[in-house]
Order: sequence, then C-alpha cells, then structure tokens
Amino acid sequence: EDQVTQSPEALRLQEGESSSLNCSYTVSGLRGLFWYRQDPGKGPEFLFTLYSAGEEKEKERLKATLTKKESFLHITAPKPEDSATYLCAVMGNYGQNFVFGPGTRLSVLP
Amino acid sequence: DTEVTQTPKHLVMGMTNKKSLKCEQHMGHRAMYWYKQKAKKPPELMFVYSYEKLSINESVPSRFSPECPNSSLLNLHLHALQPEDSALYLCASSQGGWGTYNEQFFGPGTRLTVL
Repeated sequence: EDQVTQSPEALRLQEGESSSLNCSYTVSGLRGLFWYRQDPGKGPEFLFTLYSAGEEKEKERLKATLTKKESFLHITAPKPEDSATYLCAVMGNYGQNFVFGPGTRLSVLP
Repeated sequence: DTEVTQTPKHLVMGMTNKKSLKCEQHMGHRAMYWYKQKAKKPPELMFVYSYEKLSINESVPSRFSPECPNSSLLNLHLHALQPEDSALYLCASSQGGWGTYNEQFFGPGTRLTVL
C-alpha cells in the first residue's frame, strides 16, 4: 500500500530563516510526486510535479527536490505570506489516485 | 487559465434538505474529482469522472450523488446529510483521463455545514 508521511507536522520560522520540509514516501514505482500549498479554508494550490529522482524545480523562494525515498521543499528567506499548509501527494504504478501526506503547517513570523 | 470554479462558497443545510454543489473548468481537462476535507486533514477522494464517466466511487454513502452533465461541469447532489458530513468539499481536474500522471488543479472549495 502506498504511504506518504510529512515532517515536521508544524514549523515556525522567523522571516528570512530558511528551512526544509520533508515528504517521505513508500510506493510501488513512483510515477509522480506533487507539492501543493493550502491556505486555511481554501483549495490546494499546485506548486510542483517531480517525476524522477534527481529532479529539481524552483518557483520564487521555493525549491523542490526528489530522491528515491523522499522529497524536500526548501524555503529560502521565507516571508509571512508563505505561511500555509504544504501538502505532498504521490502516484505509483498500481495506484491511480493521489495518496496525500498529512501536511506540514508552516508559520512565518515577521 | 488554470482555474476551477465552485459554487456556492458556503452552504448551510438541514438534514432533510436537498442541495447541489457545482464545479466548472474550461481547461479541456478530461478527469474531474470530488474530494472531502476535514479540518487539519488532507483531502479524501470521493469520486472520479474520466471522460464524463464515473470511474471511481470510494465507497461514498448514497446520500452523496455525483453527476457529470458535460466535460466542463461536475455536480454533487446532497440529500439527507448528517452533521458529520460538514466539511470543505473540493473539486479538482486534471488534463488526462483518470490514471494519467498529471497534476490536479483544485477549486476554492465549498464550505458545507449540516445542522
């Protein structure tokens, strides 16, 4: 059974304090790993898709990387507006639906 | 344009009411999804439509009835709901049919409260 865990559960950073969020997965043949950002009471906003180990993608202060066991979302010099819950999801060879992790709640303090 | 729209934004209903949620996308996506999300939990898949046909029903109670009138529209009909059905209901769409390895784009959600 495909499984996804995320750590930490919650993270508080000072503005400008860079850090990383982790998404670890167990899947029978990874076909895609997806990162989303979700603000309270709103729908998830798509950030990145990663398909193979070694792949990296960047968008503003965010950079996502992928290995065979996990993905990291690096946040460089975060701002208060980066505060949100970050979700990752995977699709494997034999599952055809997203398997979501529980999310990391990020708070960036001014 | 990567927009999925949902109406209404908020809905309050009694346990004997019948109501519908609506979702629309004009990106030409061939798969559309309904998810339910409780507070501080990830989205849970309810239904998947692929090429306008119901492909997945994740053992959802019959008081939830999906409908896909055309390739751009998705409805969720609600009847005789329970208070525990109160949640954020999310619609999503993806480019390929169900099972293709594409990102899903989510709408803003409908906040449902069942009294």
